[in-house]
Amino acid sequence: GAGVSQSPSNKVTEKGKDVELRCDPISGHTALYWYRQRLGQGLEFLIYFQGNSAPDKSGLPSDRFSAERTGESVSTLTIQRTQQEDSAVYLCASSLSAGGPGEQYFGPGTRLTVT
Amino acid sequence: AQKVTQAQTEISVVEKEDVTLDCVYETRDTTYYLFWYKQPPSGELVFLIRRNSFDEQNEISGRYSWNFQKSTSSFNFTITASQVVDSAVYFCALSEAWSGNTPLVFGKGTRLSVIA
Repeated sequence: GAGVSQSPSNKVTEKGKDVELRCDPISGHTALYWYRQRLGQGLEFLIYFQGNSAPDKSGLPSDRFSAERTGESVSTLTIQRTQQEDSAVYLCASSLSAGGPGEQYFGPGTRLTVT
Repeated sequence: AQKVTQAQTEISVVEKEDVTLDCVYETRDTTYYLFWYKQPPSGELVFLIRRNSFDEQNEISGRYSWNFQKSTSSFNFTITASQVVDSAVYFCALSEAWSGNTPLVFGKGTRLSVIA
């Protein structure tokens, strides 16, 4: 079966423009996560969706960041009025919801460069 | 508050050497999970292990082994007889959730270079 996919793989945008990043989780995975990885750094949690519950947005760095998820499928992370500090790899992960935090399956990431 | 510290930023070893990657965590919960992930040069994170806070048995999987010590809040990872293919960034992570899913708190990672 297919793993987590993300698009685009690379995105270069000008400062001030809006960008949308897409994540297709593994079919049947109820939990979906977005993380950000700056160059040479660990992963920072951004937002988490679990089934039909309200998303956990506690990791979003500013109100320029938002995300949506359609049911238990595709998710879109939107960054408005991009800044150079937004340059990073944005990683999406999904997992099953059963018996404790499970293995999170990560996508290949979207490398965002803001010029 | 949760925190994961990987004090070793970069390690370089010669092939066939053993290497240990350190991970120290902080949590106020008594129930939690610990994880290790590998990020090879291709960039995609690969799950290696999940361990819950009630299971302090060491785990061995081939050349990989993990040493969980609650007394020192450490979850160290050892690669025996390292190979060039082990070159990657390795991340330790923590989740305080006991049931259901929650985001992971990651350390900054240790970059391992294995030289032939």
